[in-house]
Amino acid sequence: GESVGLHLPTLSVQEGDNSIINCAYSNSASDYFIWYKQESGKGPQFIIDIRSNMDKRQGQRVTVLLNKTVKHLSLQIAATQPGDSAVYFCAENTSAGTGRRALTFGSGTRLQVQP
Amino acid sequence: ETGVTQTPRHLVMGMTNKKSLKCEQHLGHNAMYWYKQSAKKPLELMFVYNFKEQTENNSVPSRFSPECPNSSHLFLHLHTLQPEDSALYLCASSQNSPTTETQYFGPGTRLLVL
Repeated sequence: GESVGLHLPTLSVQEGDNSIINCAYSNSASDYFIWYKQESGKGPQFIIDIRSNMDKRQGQRVTVLLNKTVKHLSLQIAATQPGDSAVYFCAENTSAGTGRRALTFGSGTRLQVQP
Repeated sequence: ETGVTQTPRHLVMGMTNKKSLKCEQHLGHNAMYWYKQSAKKPLELMFVYNFKEQTENNSVPSRFSPECPNSSHLFLHLHTLQPEDSALYLCASSQNSPTTETQYFGPGTRLLVL
């Protein structure tokens, strides 16, 4: 499932360190955001979500921060482990004005955890 | 496991072959999606089905033909594909509501067109 030919930004961290993955979104009308993790050979896996009426949401070892002023989203992973190595995608969810919602994916960031 | 299964996981086909990809979701969702993920582009939405009705076709070539017989099953019929169609094809499902649309993905079918 890796985008081998696509030039993805890469974040390399040491095992045990905290990781911060950033994402800029484009639509100021987006009101719901999701982070996905995609490991090699697998489909994207839901990690955590956040609504636009929140600035921060915490999960197990992960925290998502939302800054609507600058349209920026970040995913923080505490005590990064080798199993966290993957490509991480943010996605923004917007009402398309037709009664249905549209999900737009970013191009992803590759996280490499060094033992 | 996400509750979305796809078969086959790997497929090699010639340009004159006809094959079908299958997706099944066990989550009780009302919407299903086909995405293409290639080595050179980000995730591309191909088709969307809401309550078995196709609601979106993102300018996908006619050599890709989706079918959604019910809200749990989704097929992608392939014929006369080109080598540039080689990619990972991902199926997803969601329970659409006025406020959220979290999509859950299957493991994908890795397709190689020779």
